[in-house]
Amino acid sequence: DSGVTQTPKHLITATGQRVTLRCSPRSGDLSVYWYQQSLDQGLQFLIQYYNGEERAKGNILERFSAQQFPDLHSELNLSSLELGDSALYFCASSGSGTTGNTIYFGEGSWLTVV
Amino acid sequence: AQSVTQLGSHVSVSEGALVLLRCNYSSSVPPYLFWYVQYPNQGLQLLLKYTSAATLVKGINGFEAEFKKSETSFHLTKPSAHMSDAAEYFCAVSAPGAGNMLTFGGGTRLMVKP
Repeated sequence: DSGVTQTPKHLITATGQRVTLRCSPRSGDLSVYWYQQSLDQGLQFLIQYYNGEERAKGNILERFSAQQFPDLHSELNLSSLELGDSALYFCASSGSGTTGNTIYFGEGSWLTVV
Repeated sequence: AQSVTQLGSHVSVSEGALVLLRCNYSSSVPPYLFWYVQYPNQGLQLLLKYTSAATLVKGINGFEAEFKKSETSFHLTKPSAHMSDAAEYFCAVSAPGAGNMLTFGGGTRLMVKP
C-alpha cells in the first residue's frame, strides 16, 4: 500500500460526459502528479501540483483540468469525453517537488468511455 | 528533454534464470533514473532509483541496476527469477530542475516460465 488513495477505482461513462477523479496523497506529501496510462500512448505525465500551485504541465488536453485543494487532495476533471480517453489514470505524490524525490503511485482509476 | 527506450516489450525467462531488462535513456543533463514494477491490476511500485550516488543500485525483491553513463544505460537485473516476478516493468527518467516529473519508457512485460 503506497498510501496514495484514488477514487473511484472503476468508472464507465458515455462520450460527451464529464467525470472527476479524486486523489488523496500520502500523509505529509505536498506534491501531487497525474499520469495517464493507455495501450497506445503508454504512461504519460499530465500535470503536477505542489502545495496547491501548478508546478509542471505535460501532455494534458485542454478538456482536462486539475486542482489541488488546501487539504492537499487533488481532483482531475475530464470533460467532453471521447472514446480515446479510456485509460488508467494514476495519481502519485511525493514529499516535495524536488527532482529525485521518490514518487509514490496510487492504484489508479480505470475510466471506460462508451 | 528526456526520453527512455526499453528494448523488448516482452521478455520470457525460466524460473531460476537471470533476469535482464534493458533501459537506455537520453538526457541533456545528468539524469535521475528509476525502475518501477506494475503487477496486474495494481499501481506502480518503486523498485529502485539512481540519484547520482553509487552507480550500482540495489532495490527491493533482489533486483539491482547499474548506471552506465558511457552507454546511457540503466539495465535492471536479478540473478534468479521467481514466478512472483511476472509483471510489467517500467524504466523512468527525470532531470534536475524538471520539477520531478517522470518520463517513462514503454514498459517490458516479464513472463516467468516454471
